[in-house]
Amino acid sequence: GENVEQHPSTLSVQEGDSAVIKCTYSDSASNYFPWYKQELGKRPQLIIDIRSNVGEKKDQRIAVTLNKTAKHFSLHITETQPEDSAVYFCAARAGGTSYGKLTFGQGTILTVHP
Amino acid sequence: GAVVSQHPSRVICKSGTSVKIECRSLDFQATTMFWYRQFPKQSLMLMATSNEGSKATYEQGVEKDKFLINHASLTLSTLTVTSAHPEDSSFYICSAALGGSGGTRTRTDTQYFGPGTRLTVL
Repeated sequence: GENVEQHPSTLSVQEGDSAVIKCTYSDSASNYFPWYKQELGKRPQLIIDIRSNVGEKKDQRIAVTLNKTAKHFSLHITETQPEDSAVYFCAARAGGTSYGKLTFGQGTILTVHP
Repeated sequence: GAVVSQHPSRVICKSGTSVKIECRSLDFQATTMFWYRQFPKQSLMLMATSNEGSKATYEQGVEKDKFLINHASLTLSTLTVTSAHPEDSSFYICSAALGGSGGTRTRTDTQYFGPGTRLTVL
């Protein structure tokens, strides 16, 4: 089955700096890669996603890049703010039906210091 | 759109009792619902995939007789933890994937998560 590795496990930055979180996946048939933000005790919230036919996607301060050949994708947050502090999870969905299961990375605890 | 509710949000029970958790998609029909378990400071681990009108598909290592899943309609799935023990204490989260056209704001391949249920077994 699919295996998703996420790094780093913790990331500490100063407000205004950029943060980058990287994930690798094992199943070359995976075709959908969402990123979720989870605050303590709350539900994961989708912040951005990318499909395998696209190399990069940007939404304001958040961007995701995908390298299918190397089977890795990254989350980039620019101009970080204290409210960006949370746990971030990457995920990969195996190819096949649109409702296929997601495999999550281990998570990255992002702390943005004011 | 794409709101998923979960009930209860928190439950404390005695060892040996059963607990039922409901997951509802409020403004869309969910062909597929997923049940996850999340231990403190860990990632989301998929327990099972639930399709309306059919038996759930359980992940390896998840006991289907202990974690009963019912997906009776396109808006409701339930997870029953039978004979709960302290090691079952965890954060249980459901998600729902859209079925049908959905409109412009709700896409077919996105999973929308419920708020989670904190289960504590004494």
